[in-house]
Amino acid sequence: GEDVEQSLFLSVREGDSSVINCTYTDSSSTYLYWYKQEPGAGLQLLTYIFSNMDMKQDQRLTVLLNKKDKHLSLRIADTQTGDSAIYFCAESIGDSSYKLIFGSGTRLLVRP
Amino acid sequence: NAGVMQNPRHLVRRRGQEARLRCSPMKGHSHVYWYRQLPEEGLKFMVYLQKENIIDESGMPKERFSAEFPKEGPSILRIQQVVRGDSAAYFCASSPPNKGQFPYEQYFGPGTRLTVT
Repeated sequence: GEDVEQSLFLSVREGDSSVINCTYTDSSSTYLYWYKQEPGAGLQLLTYIFSNMDMKQDQRLTVLLNKKDKHLSLRIADTQTGDSAIYFCAESIGDSSYKLIFGSGTRLLVRP
Repeated sequence: NAGVMQNPRHLVRRRGQEARLRCSPMKGHSHVYWYRQLPEEGLKFMVYLQKENIIDESGMPKERFSAEFPKEGPSILRIQQVVRGDSAAYFCASSPPNKGQFPYEQYFGPGTRLTVT
């Protein structure tokens, strides 16, 4: 079945790195995504990775994908207070790759 | 280029009333998706529409819910005879026509928060 799981909460100090983890169950995922949701706002696509890649870097963001363990992580370098938000991991699968399957989100709190 | 617009942002309905949620996709986008987010949960796919066509409604409840995306005007998600369990945030997303590159990159609107009293 399709299931995406994330830890609920992460607190880090400003300037440190944050690592948000996600596990998924469907091995036929085609793309995996990270979205950011700020209070009262919609979801903003941060980055995505194709399932045949194992790493993608985009400025302060690094995505690591371990297909064997079905584990995805998002590392935010030099975390800032503006990074405080809820981060959602999502996957899309095969022929229905328009259908995003979301985790329940990780609330990141950045302490000054 | 304005983003995805949704209105109203907040909607309060009494049990048994109808709720109509509107979504205007980004300019040039012909694909629209609706998702529902219950409190403390992730978004759940409801329906995928292209102009005048429902492509996949596998996430829609079988009764009371319907969606359309007419040739002109916004996409509408309609909930008839609302119940308390319908209280949620409803997000619309849109994407450009799929040209075989990065498929289905979805841009989300700010959502409509429906409260049923």
